Amino acid sequence: DAKTTQPPSMDCAEGRAANLPCNHSTISGNEYVYWYRQIHSQGPQYIIHGLKNNETNEMASLIITEDRKSSTLILPHATLRDTAVYYCIVREGGGADGLTFGKGTHLIIQP
Amino acid sequence: DTAVSQTPKYLVTQMGNDKSIKCEQNLGHDTMYWYKQDSKKFLKIMFSYNNKELIINETVPNRFSPKSPDKAHLNLHINSLELGDSAVYFCASSPRGGVSTDTQYFGPGTRLTVL
Repeated sequence: DAKTTQPPSMDCAEGRAANLPCNHSTISGNEYVYWYRQIHSQGPQYIIHGLKNNETNEMASLIITEDRKSSTLILPHATLRDTAVYYCIVREGGGADGLTFGKGTHLIIQP
Repeated sequence: DTAVSQTPKYLVTQMGNDKSIKCEQNLGHDTMYWYKQDSKKFLKIMFSYNNKELIINETVPNRFSPKSPDKAHLNLHINSLELGDSAVYFCASSPRGGVSTDTQYFGPGTRLTVL
């Protein structure tokens, strides 16, 4: 079972920042927080990951609370192409294990 | 120069048939995976394969078998297809299986329809 909780859907206006929350209150000390997204009819795409510190790359920023029990993915200037299902995943360690996907958040960018 | 490719993109077949889906990655990764996304859009890991070590999700029927001729390929064979096998199957790869900082790269998916 997924170890994260996300809202099922969110709307955001084009050009605005999209802030997607994720709760992972049972995360352990050596587990990372990963974000992936799946655009309709495509394979999942890696966005960003982090352990304790906030992270930023060309796609997004990841803000992790100090207690690590929750995080927020920020898409700074959302475009219509960012409409997708966004998955927050806590990576279970050890072995060549796969990702455990939850239900994710369906982000709809409105023109 | 697609990183992870799958063939075919669509596969329609009759119940009881045996079929295969092929996956190739040109990223030089050590670990490959198969995922299944059902009609309710839930994505679940089926197998991971790393340096000839196979890790199987215990919920996967033994009609499903991954076969890896080399490090760049992980094919999925399905015997005696059933209606419930209809789904989109995604292949993925990562540089080093089991390291928490590894990211996975997914293929475009194969939509299997069993009639």
